[in-house]
Amino acid sequence: DAGITQSPRYKITETGRQVTLMCHQTWSHSYMFWYRQDLGHGLRLIYYSAAADITDKGEVPDGYVVSRSKTENFPLTLESATRSQTSVYFCASSEPRTGFSNQPQHFGDGTRLSIL
Amino acid sequence: DAKTTQPNSMESNEEEPVHLPCNHSTISGTDYIHWYRQLPSQGPEYVIHGLTSNVNNRMASLAIAEDRKSSTLILHRATLRDAAVYYCILRDGETSGSRLTFGEGTQLTVNP
Repeated sequence: DAGITQSPRYKITETGRQVTLMCHQTWSHSYMFWYRQDLGHGLRLIYYSAAADITDKGEVPDGYVVSRSKTENFPLTLESATRSQTSVYFCASSEPRTGFSNQPQHFGDGTRLSIL
Repeated sequence: DAKTTQPNSMESNEEEPVHLPCNHSTISGTDYIHWYRQLPSQGPEYVIHGLTSNVNNRMASLAIAEDRKSSTLILHRATLRDAAVYYCILRDGETSGSRLTFGEGTQLTVNP
């Protein structure tokens, strides 16, 4: 089915380990985003990408690394996981704006990451 | 970024209309008003957006005040499936692919 897929849906790991969360979209959308959601903070932007090989920091980028070698994939890596990175992670994609209209963002179902 | 203010929670009865308010007194001329909702254990879902005029789609209607300092999301007949957190977000229309800044939203409870 077309859409945006995140994997894994659930992940438990230990502090200090490297973890990669995957995001794949089938729409060929230019823009892709990574958010984290924590109680009391709503969704916060970690990184985003305007196209393949173009990425930029969001609100809370520290401790995360992204890459985008192909339009359809946007993996998020925690190089050395910490307990404070326990969260629900959402990937999203959208087309760039056309004229003055905003394109909606389409979200995956999230990855629930626990770091022990 | 211009901010929005929403009630923390609201309740409705099934098959009745629901009016979800949002205040955005510092909105700029190029800000679009977007609404998303998040059902339990799912990612946010786009609902509707508008700039100045009222908007309708299959999910909801968006009523925008004439001065644009407030808006109301209208669900015409609430169903149990509409129970979710609803986010009102301002998005800069001049920035391509501009980010969404989520607040705490309104938790909507729908009673059978």
